[in-house]
Amino acid sequence: DAKTTQPNSMESNEEEPVHLPCNHSTISGTDYIHWYRQLPSQGPEYVIHGLTSNVNNRMASLAIAEDRKSSTLILHRATLRDAAVYYCILRDLNTGNQFYFGTGTSLTVIP
Amino acid sequence: SAVISQKPSRDICQRGTSLTIQCQVDSQVTMMFWYRQQPGQSLTLIATANQGSEATYESGFVIDKFPISRPNLTFSTLTVSNMSPEDSSIYLCSVVEDLLKTEAFFGQGTRLTVV
Repeated sequence: DAKTTQPNSMESNEEEPVHLPCNHSTISGTDYIHWYRQLPSQGPEYVIHGLTSNVNNRMASLAIAEDRKSSTLILHRATLRDAAVYYCILRDLNTGNQFYFGTGTSLTVIP
Repeated sequence: SAVISQKPSRDICQRGTSLTIQCQVDSQVTMMFWYRQQPGQSLTLIATANQGSEATYESGFVIDKFPISRPNLTFSTLTVSNMSPEDSSIYLCSVVEDLLKTEAFFGQGTRLTVV
């Protein structure tokens, strides 16, 4: 499975945008890029996913590099509720529907 | 979206015993998975629970230690056998509703402490 690399931790001030990077230089053409987050004492929850084009939803935006070797999760306005571990995951629907988690980025939001 | 109920939510067990964790989903789902999350760590996939057949285990996990059942499309169990303190972790159930959907849903987890 293609691996992802994320910074271990990041900090953001409340109400400011946050850009969470992810490197996936060995991504294959059929890998989807998924982002999940895990709030304290909870199971992971879906944030967003994409294949090639940038994606927006009510929670966040996903910016995918043209060569697809990196992506950035954008939280437009961080709130204290956004403090969580954010996981960038590559998922190949052709080989199975499993999600293999990397180490993730622990986001701290400063009031 | 699928709603997952895991039982028990937490337990403290004696070493050498076994614990069975239940995962109940409020709708039929195509795929069910079991994960382990050791303290302060990320999630590690244990196995894919297959309906009516043996689970598919990831490298490093074996059926004798983590037997899994999935009798239907809404229910699965994971047993942690012959427990040792190293098995102290959070165990999570995850589902994918069908192959056309890309979102996975996770239970709240079972926090297991082995003493």
